[in-house]
Amino acid sequence: NAGVMQNPRHLVRRRGQEARLRCSPMKGHSHVYWYRQLPEEGLKFMVYLQKENIIDESGMPKERFSAEFPKEGPSILRIQQVVRGDSAAYFCASSQGVADGYTFGSGTRLTVV
Amino acid sequence: DAKTTQPNSMESNEEEPVHLPCNHSTISGTDYIHWYRQLPSQGPEYVIHGLTSNVNNRMASLAIAEDRKSSTLILHRATLRDAAVYYCILRDEYTGANSKLTFGKGITLSVRP
Repeated sequence: NAGVMQNPRHLVRRRGQEARLRCSPMKGHSHVYWYRQLPEEGLKFMVYLQKENIIDESGMPKERFSAEFPKEGPSILRIQQVVRGDSAAYFCASSQGVADGYTFGSGTRLTVV
Repeated sequence: DAKTTQPNSMESNEEEPVHLPCNHSTISGTDYIHWYRQLPSQGPEYVIHGLTSNVNNRMASLAIAEDRKSSTLILHRATLRDAAVYYCILRDEYTGANSKLTFGKGITLSVRP
């Protein structure tokens, strides 16, 4: 079992470009969570998805950010028109059920230049 | 989610036991106590969780106070690889969509050789 796979590991984007971060959950896991960790800060919840549904997006910025978890394929976190303040590590986690522990990926480190 | 309070940091010596405290005086009856850790430049990793009884696994032990207002994560023999930020998190596992993990600042454990 390869665990939670995130790619790319590192992503550099110029201001105004789009960033697409991918997360493949563990096999058999249907719950996906995205977290953001700004430099020297803690992990902040962004969004919780199940297949084809957004369950909780209370941590998502109102503009430029979107997430999806389609029936087939990985979950995608999309950031449009990136700004320097979006530079952070973005972690994805998955769980088998709503009450199960999370397995985290190694993260995508986004740098906006 | 109910809040937890942890010291900012702790130091230990290699091969000695480590006791990491966590206070959660407002814990509710359905809150589980979860511990995760985050090694440098990695995603968080599940350590252990419990409800009322003490718990043991291959990584650590969790001692829960009788009134559940505090708990202690015990690493029986610290190694240099245990240097990480340890997060104590309360999670109500009966609230379905609200079951997300909310991370605080955690406690930074340093291990001296």
